[in-house]
Amino acid sequence: LAKTTQPISMDSYEGQEVNITCSHNNIATNDYITWYQQFPSQGPRFIIQGYKTKVTNEVASLFIPADRKSSTLSLPRVSLSDTAVYYCLVGTSLGGGYQKVTFGTGTKLQVIP
Amino acid sequence: EAGVTQSPTHLIKTRGQQVTLRCSPISGHTSVYWYQQALGLGLQFLLWYDEGEERNRGNFPPRFSGRQFPNYSSELNVNALELEDSALYLCASSFRANYGYTFGSGTRLTVV
Repeated sequence: LAKTTQPISMDSYEGQEVNITCSHNNIATNDYITWYQQFPSQGPRFIIQGYKTKVTNEVASLFIPADRKSSTLSLPRVSLSDTAVYYCLVGTSLGGGYQKVTFGTGTKLQVIP
Repeated sequence: EAGVTQSPTHLIKTRGQQVTLRCSPISGHTSVYWYQQALGLGLQFLLWYDEGEERNRGNFPPRFSGRQFPNYSSELNVNALELEDSALYLCASSFRANYGYTFGSGTRLTVV
């Protein structure tokens, strides 16, 4: 099961682009990389998922290099409401399309006015 | 479309008691996952149910158990509650794992 490593915390000013990198050296061939956002006392919210190269949606971009041993979540022009914990997950397919995921420690992003 | 719903939202129990938490997945989702999140900590995987069967469990003692019903809703049972069981218990559902999870808002359990 691939283990993920993220920075414990990051600070950023409003309006800046924030990049959070996650290391997953033992990622397996069938693993997907997923990022979630969690506010205090709420369940995590799906942000973005990818397998390789680059994925972009209306919220964020996910960059995955060719070796897939790391990934970077990019949040454009953050606002105060982006202050949250961000989790990088690597999911292992156990066949039949099912997956067990392990949450890492998460990165606490603090956006400063 | 209704999201993942959990009940109750808050619960206070005494040490040694038993508790049952409930989760209703998004319609069409067959997998239900349970996670424990102690205050200020990350999410610890508890249990995974799919098609009514327990598919995997995390590193928790047997007093943590659960089940999934034919309508794919799920219950998490915790027996002989201990103070350290105080946490936010999160339920998530998915249709297929590669599509990502949708989490509920959780049940805040306090053991006194």
